[in-house]
Amino acid sequence: AQTVTQSQPEMSVQEAETVTLSCTYDTSESDYYLFWYKQPPSRQMILVIRQEAYKQQNATENRFSVNFQKAAKSFSLKISDSQLGDAAMYFCAYRTSYGGSQGNLIFGKGTKLSVKP
Amino acid sequence: DSGVTQTPKHLITATGQRVTLRCSPRSGDLSVYWYQQSLDQGLQFLIQYYNGEERAKGNILERFSAQQFPDLHSELNLSSLELGDSALYFCASSRGLAGSSYNEQFFGPGTRLTVL
Repeated sequence: AQTVTQSQPEMSVQEAETVTLSCTYDTSESDYYLFWYKQPPSRQMILVIRQEAYKQQNATENRFSVNFQKAAKSFSLKISDSQLGDAAMYFCAYRTSYGGSQGNLIFGKGTKLSVKP
Repeated sequence: DSGVTQTPKHLITATGQRVTLRCSPRSGDLSVYWYQQSLDQGLQFLIQYYNGEERAKGNILERFSAQQFPDLHSELNLSSLELGDSALYFCASSRGLAGSSYNEQFFGPGTRLTVL
């Protein structure tokens, strides 16, 4: 069974600085998808960024980028120029890519990010 | 706004009771997923439906059941409620099954269940 581990329960960053959130996962599959979701105090789950395992290029979405290391099964999220609105819980998630199989997300425990003004 | 709606937003009930949570997926989405978010268990997958049929089960208790109707909305039924069932219940929807591109899941705002 696949597992997702986020080893940092809490992180803090100064406004305008850069922070990296860590995520490791375990799977025997060769193709899959990885995601970072943001959950602000409103509790809404918001997709931040996604990565296909077969793509070597790291995904980027504006100030958010990932460092995907497939061999190491590592998928970290880098937030550049941190803003107060980035303060939230961040969840790393895994999903299989095999057609016809269950497509549920497997989540890590989350990292609570605080942004200091 | 993700396009996924969930009702009610909040629900307070007593132990032993039964409740029904409702989810309407985004227009055109055939898959519906239910997740439970609790302090001790984190975010856990409960059950998935695709076009009216149960597709996959996760850590769903026998006291819980779900269904997806012909109009594709889904209901999660929780019975014989216990204090530990207090949690945030999310519904998410996607176009299809795993394997079709990102098949991104869009989450509803959740239903906060409090069991007293």
